[in-house]
Amino acid sequence: KNEVEQSPQNLTAQEGEFITINCSYSVGISALHWLQQHPGGGIVSLFMLSSGKKKHGRLIATINIQEKHSSLHITASHPRDSAVYICAYHSGGGADGLTFGKGTHLIIQP
Amino acid sequence: SQTIHQWPATLVQPVGSPLSLECTVEGTSNPNLYWYRQAAGRGLQLLFYSVGIGQISSEVPQNLSASRPQDRQFILSSKKLLLSDSGFYLCAWSRTAFTEAFFGQGTRLTVV
Repeated sequence: KNEVEQSPQNLTAQEGEFITINCSYSVGISALHWLQQHPGGGIVSLFMLSSGKKKHGRLIATINIQEKHSSLHITASHPRDSAVYICAYHSGGGADGLTFGKGTHLIIQP
Repeated sequence: SQTIHQWPATLVQPVGSPLSLECTVEGTSNPNLYWYRQAAGRGLQLLFYSVGIGQISSEVPQNLSASRPQDRQFILSSKKLLLSDSGFYLCAWSRTAFTEAFFGQGTRLTVV
């Protein structure tokens, strides 16, 4: 069983729509990452957060540590936002790496 | 600024052949280094991580091995590839375990 659950798995929306991608996890964590993977496979880190909320341009990430839940929001979505968005966490046990969700495949249609 | 290089970008190898994927990081010293694999239809999975030269930790028993011969060089190897080794391999680095991670462009490996 994957310890990180993302929803939805696939999302198609129209340009300009407000997008929400959810991430739930089942263990205590030290930090949660939101990543963006483009069709070629390259991954870019969007956010790393351990509490509260972060904003970067049209992207907003929130986390509720008590509820073990995080959301990624995209305002005024654009076709260039089309990508796979991946939630991952670090449990804080040491230098070991991230545990990843399977990703949400987002398509923004013009 | 820091950069991470991973090559090759794509690779098609026959079953039973050896594998060597290389990853180098520039612009930082003593990074934590990671190899991840993304199999078809599945999320990324940690394969190996390293906190220093010659120090390798393995997360998943498999047909692969990793080495860190230099501070900023991380190599993923196999002596004999299996069909199940096909997938997308990503190298990543971070300053510490609790800071932002930076990813290479990945290698798409197809074992035929």
